[in-house]
Amino acid sequence: SQKIEQNSEALNIQEGKTATLTCNYTNYSPAYLQWYRQDPGRGPVFLLLIRENEKEKRKERLKVTFDTTLKQSLFHITASQPADSATYLCALASGNQFYFGTGTSLTVIP
Amino acid sequence: NAGVTQTPKFRILKIGQSMTLQCTQDMNHNYMYWYRQDPGMGLKLIYYSVGAGITDKGEVPNGYNVSRSTTEDFPLRLELAAPSQTSVYFCASIPGDSLQPQHFGDGTRLSIL
Repeated sequence: SQKIEQNSEALNIQEGKTATLTCNYTNYSPAYLQWYRQDPGRGPVFLLLIRENEKEKRKERLKVTFDTTLKQSLFHITASQPADSATYLCALASGNQFYFGTGTSLTVIP
Repeated sequence: NAGVTQTPKFRILKIGQSMTLQCTQDMNHNYMYWYRQDPGMGLKLIYYSVGAGITDKGEVPNGYNVSRSTTEDFPLRLELAAPSQTSVYFCASIPGDSLQPQHFGDGTRLSIL
């Protein structure tokens, strides 16, 4: 069956450290993968997109990697800040449809 | 720039009632999506549309209907509300084709009692 799994439901880290979130998938062949941020009571907000032929993408303090052999994407937030506390979702694009992981709740402790 | 607007924000329904969740976007996007988000379950695609007059089922379409008569609007209809449809519903849009980020509304929180 098809699955998208994100590492542990909750991740707590100290301010200034690097947060690493994992997205693993099985039985999908995504053309690209996206990461979103979701705050309580709000809709997801797009952060980064990485194509299947790209290994790494960066945007300011954010970095995404995509390994289609391992079927895994890693999402890094460097120099984390309390304002980075939120739920982060990965989404796979296949055809016209998107498939979301369950999300990882990140808390950055001051 | 409003983006994607969903109404209502909250609603309580009784079992067996019907209602329509509204979604409007002002970005002239061709593709629109309806998702439901249950606690700990991530977003599941209910229906999507790649343009006016065209709709397709997603992962969890049972109990729902959609229509797309204009580019701007993509309403979601619940005909006979059931407790299993208690969820948060999100509408999203993209310009078209792939490699585009989805723009989401802020959701409709629906409880069926």
